[in-house]
Amino acid sequence: EIVMTQSPATLSVSPGERATLSCRASQSVSSNLAWYQQKPGQAPRLLIYGASTRATGIPARFSGSGSGTEFTLTIGSLQSEDFAVYYCQQYNNWPLTFGGGTKVEIK
Amino acid sequence: EVQLVESGGGLVQPGGSLRLSCAASGFTFSTYAMSWVRQAPGKGLEWVSSISPSGESTYYPDSVKGRFTISRDNSKNTLYLQMDSLRAEDTAVYYCAPRRSGPNPFDYWGQGTLVTVSS
Repeated sequence: EIVMTQSPATLSVSPGERATLSCRASQSVSSNLAWYQQKPGQAPRLLIYGASTRATGIPARFSGSGSGTEFTLTIGSLQSEDFAVYYCQQYNNWPLTFGGGTKVEIK
Repeated sequence: EVQLVESGGGLVQPGGSLRLSCAASGFTFSTYAMSWVRQAPGKGLEWVSSISPSGESTYYPDSVKGRFTISRDNSKNTLYLQMDSLRAEDTAVYYCAPRRSGPNPFDYWGQGTLVTVSS
């Protein structure tokens, strides 16, 4: 099983600042990596797939990078609606696995 | 507009059974692989099972293999999850999610249905 490790667990950021979230895979997942956003009481929403492709309707301030085992989600200038939990997920191998999540909170 | 409506959750005793359903609309159901993903209260996301577009192939993690069965009815645009021998650790919100065939992410998610396993 591929273990996905996200860091940090919690990120405190002021509105307007940049946020950088990391995700590491225990073995290569190529570019088969997605990022999801989840707000309290809501279902997750796909942000990024293929490590760097924004899903439909996702603002340009969200960007993804990386391949193999190291991945990054960058939120360029945090808006109030971006404070949420973010999960990475690999879909290269069965079982499909998620990281433990990074909570982005208001500083 | 894609719509995914899960139902069938509720309170069940340990060792009991429950069948979840997911009614899908707004996309060509029969061409998408479908999956269930769960989230225990206050915890992260865990993939539970997947099924190919035709229903011929199914996939499970070890945590539910032999206890859960995923199926689909393409004529009704509906996905199912039969859960048997339920345990307290199966308590979670269960989401259904479509995936395009091949290595692809979960494009959309339903709002989920809560399953509580407790005596």
